[in-house]
Amino acid sequence: GAVVSQHPSWVICKSGTSVKIECRSLDFQATTMFWYRQFPKQSLMLMATSNEGSKATYEQGVEKDKFLINHASLTLSTLTVTSAHPEDSSFYICSARPPGISGELFFGEGSRLTVL
Amino acid sequence: GENVEQHPSTLSVQEGDSAVIKCTYSDSASNYFPWYKQELGKRPQLIIDIRSNVGEKKDQRIAVTLNKTAKHFSLHITETQPEDSAVYFCAASRGGANNLFFGTGTRLTVIP
Repeated sequence: GAVVSQHPSWVICKSGTSVKIECRSLDFQATTMFWYRQFPKQSLMLMATSNEGSKATYEQGVEKDKFLINHASLTLSTLTVTSAHPEDSSFYICSARPPGISGELFFGEGSRLTVL
Repeated sequence: GENVEQHPSTLSVQEGDSAVIKCTYSDSASNYFPWYKQELGKRPQLIIDIRSNVGEKKDQRIAVTLNKTAKHFSLHITETQPEDSAVYFCAASRGGANNLFFGTGTRLTVIP
């Protein structure tokens, strides 16, 4: 199957700092990538849809100035958590759907963010 | 937007028994319904999916049924094994490049 990779897999930062998470499609080009957030023992909540070459589409209730998304190339999307606070601590996971494989979404390994 | 509900939240079965997880969705335009398995600390992985033009799909011990009229779909796992223990998520989307909306998850425990 297709491979989606995330980096870093875990990060600890101080409150007030910004953290960048990268999502790469390793063996396919992805014009669209999706960012999800998952709290412990809870479901995956869609945060935003990242569109290559254009602005991301954010879900209701997600602060676009807080969670900056950049999709500068067909294989890379980045999520930057700006001025992170402890309540931003969570598991962030990206996904992408290869062209020609209708439907199936492939997920990255996820990035666990802990804000002290 | 789409709202997907999933039941039960936890399920324990004896090895060899069957497990059934049910989901409902709200958007009648949704036409793609995948099921993902997520082991602890790992990424979700697709185990089976069904489209709205099909009522049932089976892959070895796993089957999914879809009732479009009632807007619900179910996952059936037969002859469960300890390695089936994981969290299972249902999801729905309008297909194509559209995003998935996930259910709340079911933690399945298969007791040896």
